[in-house]
Amino acid sequence: EAGVTQFPSHSVIEKGQTVTLRCDPISGHDNLYWYRRVMGKEIKFLLHFVKESKQDESGMPNNRFLAERTGGTYSTLKVQPAELEDSGVYFCASSPSRPSGGRGELFFGEGSRLTVL
Amino acid sequence: AQTVTQSQPEMSVQEAETVTLSCTYDTSESDYYLFWYKQPPSRQMILVIRQEAYKQQNATENRFSVNFQKAAKSFSLKISDSQLGDAAMYFCAYREYGNKLVFGAGTILRVKS
Repeated sequence: EAGVTQFPSHSVIEKGQTVTLRCDPISGHDNLYWYRRVMGKEIKFLLHFVKESKQDESGMPNNRFLAERTGGTYSTLKVQPAELEDSGVYFCASSPSRPSGGRGELFFGEGSRLTVL
Repeated sequence: AQTVTQSQPEMSVQEAETVTLSCTYDTSESDYYLFWYKQPPSRQMILVIRQEAYKQQNATENRFSVNFQKAAKSFSLKISDSQLGDAAMYFCAYREYGNKLVFGAGTILRVKS
C-alpha cells in the first residue's frame, strides 16, 4: 500500500511568486492534515480536511494560503504571493476515520521543502 | 488549548545504553492519544509508539517503552540498547479523537559509537 506522497520534495521560488504543493493521502483516508515547520521551530498545524470539507483551518497563517481537496482525494496548498517567512517544510498527513479502523495515529509524507528567496 | 512540552532540546547517549526523553502535556480531556514520532535526517516522520489515555498499562514496542503518568500529565520515552539508527529528532504529540495532532518542540537524540 502506498504511503502519503508529497510533491515537489523541494521548491525554490522568488518572493512574490506562487507555489502549489500537492499531497496524495493513503487511499481511503478521510482525514488529511497540513503542517508546517519553519527552520528550528515547532511543527505547527495548518488545517484539517475531512473528505473535501475543511474541518479546522485555524492554523492557516493568512489569506495568502489556500488549501483545497477536490473530491476528497488529493489536496493542494497554494501560497500566493510567497513571502520570505513562508520558507520551511510543509508536511501532509492522513488518517482513517475511526469506523474504518486506525488507532489514532497520523501517517506522514516526507514533506515539501519550500525556500523563498 | 492543549500544549505539549519537551524540555530537552538535545540529548546524547552511548551506543547500547539507555536514554529517556521527557514530555509533559496539558489538557482537560480524559480520553486522548499520546505518541512519540521519530524524524530521521531523511525527513519522513515515523511513528515510534502510541499510548491511549484510558489504558493504564505503559506501551512497549521492542526497545522502546513509555512511562505514562496520566495524573501528572507526563509521557516519557525510554530507548533501551540504543543504536546508531536511533539518532533522529523525536517529537512527542497529543491528539484527541478526530482532531489535530499537537506537537512538542522536539528533542534531538545523538547516539555515540
